[in-house]
Amino acid sequence: DAGITQSPRHKVTETGTPVTLRCHQTENHRYMYWYRQDPGHGLRLIHYSYGVKDTDKGEVSDGYSVSRSKTEDFLLTLESATSSQTSVYFCAISENFGTGVSKLFFGSGTQLSVL
Amino acid sequence: GQQLNQSPQSMFIQEGEDVSMNCTSSSIFNTWLWYKQEPGEGPVLLIALYKAGELTSNGRLTAQFGITRKDSFLNISASIPSDVGIYFCAGQKSGSARQLTFGSGTQLTVLP
Repeated sequence: DAGITQSPRHKVTETGTPVTLRCHQTENHRYMYWYRQDPGHGLRLIHYSYGVKDTDKGEVSDGYSVSRSKTEDFLLTLESATSSQTSVYFCAISENFGTGVSKLFFGSGTQLSVL
Repeated sequence: GQQLNQSPQSMFIQEGEDVSMNCTSSSIFNTWLWYKQEPGEGPVLLIALYKAGELTSNGRLTAQFGITRKDSFLNISASIPSDVGIYFCAGQKSGSARQLTFGSGTQLTVLP
């Protein structure tokens, strides 16, 4: 299994509070991603990173920010959580980007509930 | 964004039966990927397809890259209880993760 750890695994928070989810990898892969998974929508890309301090927006980036200060860590922040952000969040990593197939390896997910 | 139509949404089959599921799109993709997700875990890559018409197997799983490049099929032969899970297709237009689109999944239940 790819060495990806997401924390926390579960979180319940209130509307309007800030939330940070952490993804830690031990594979030294350059590329990291945050997805959200909702029923009927499959997986949708929120933000991704192609190196330390290099990030870009995905399909559903509104209301989210990310940071990557070290190769191994990719943080996802909800500045002011809303109920529509209740979801399962997956971190993924990949070795290839741009030159081949993005074979993604996923973490186990974080279940976030915003009340 | 781009849409992948994955069907069926769910399947209930008897152990030992064969299973077929597919993904279609109005867009052309250069790569098709099939993932399986078990409860409480992230998706795991099963098969990657790189060329139109390509047929690739992984044990009892066989996937095909449609000749039009707008569809892909996954077949599971002689299903067993551990095949239970959600199967996702994903199409990639280029090497960019921004161009990787996931289907909404097929929930497979295998009855003993």
